[in-house]
Amino acid sequence: SQQGEEDPQALSIQEGENATMNCSYKTSINNLQWYRQNSGRGLVHLILIRSNEREKHSGRLRVTLDTSKKSSSLLITASRAADTASYFCATDRDSWGKLQFGAGTQVVVTP
Amino acid sequence: GAVVSQHPSWVICKSGTSVKIECRSLDFQATTMFWYRQFPKQSLMLMATSNEGSKATYEQGVEKDKFLINHASLTLSTLTVTSAHPEDSSFYICSARARGQSSGNTIYFGEGSWLTVV
Repeated sequence: SQQGEEDPQALSIQEGENATMNCSYKTSINNLQWYRQNSGRGLVHLILIRSNEREKHSGRLRVTLDTSKKSSSLLITASRAADTASYFCATDRDSWGKLQFGAGTQVVVTP
Repeated sequence: GAVVSQHPSWVICKSGTSVKIECRSLDFQATTMFWYRQFPKQSLMLMATSNEGSKATYEQGVEKDKFLINHASLTLSTLTVTSAHPEDSSFYICSARARGQSSGNTIYFGEGSWLTVV
């Protein structure tokens, strides 16, 4: 079963705008990761945040984690057309690599 | 960085036949590999955990006799879809955990394999 739910399911923005998507999960976790998937392709790992971390940055990406609410958010700042993709959160309960993915958010960035 | 290779990238097979998909870790040893299935516009669903030298562990609802998994070496796991039917058409993607690593950021994904059953 899916561990996480994501919202929104789809997001359409213009270049330069920020994109924010949220992920909620149900059970305790060791870490939470965000991935990007271009249409019909494999996954690209974006960022990992551990359960004892609250915020993490990587370039134009900012991830927050609230373990009390069992939720995470991914912010993409100054979006580009190349950011058009589906974004998934994935939780790893035991750090053995068995990931449970959220439903994903499809982001479309128009020039 | 570490690379996981899947082969074939896409395959078309006739209904009733079997098809094998390979997942290789190219520059590291993977004691554990995972197989996921993704239907169009949906998320990835874990099918099974493949452990080198032992039987795979299947998720609830996944038929182990239909989706045969073999992890014969530390760098190769194979998924065989037996007696394929059109409803098995999907994107199959594997991931590998590097040997000796326990943290989540050492999970590497393959590029996926598109299976179309006609």
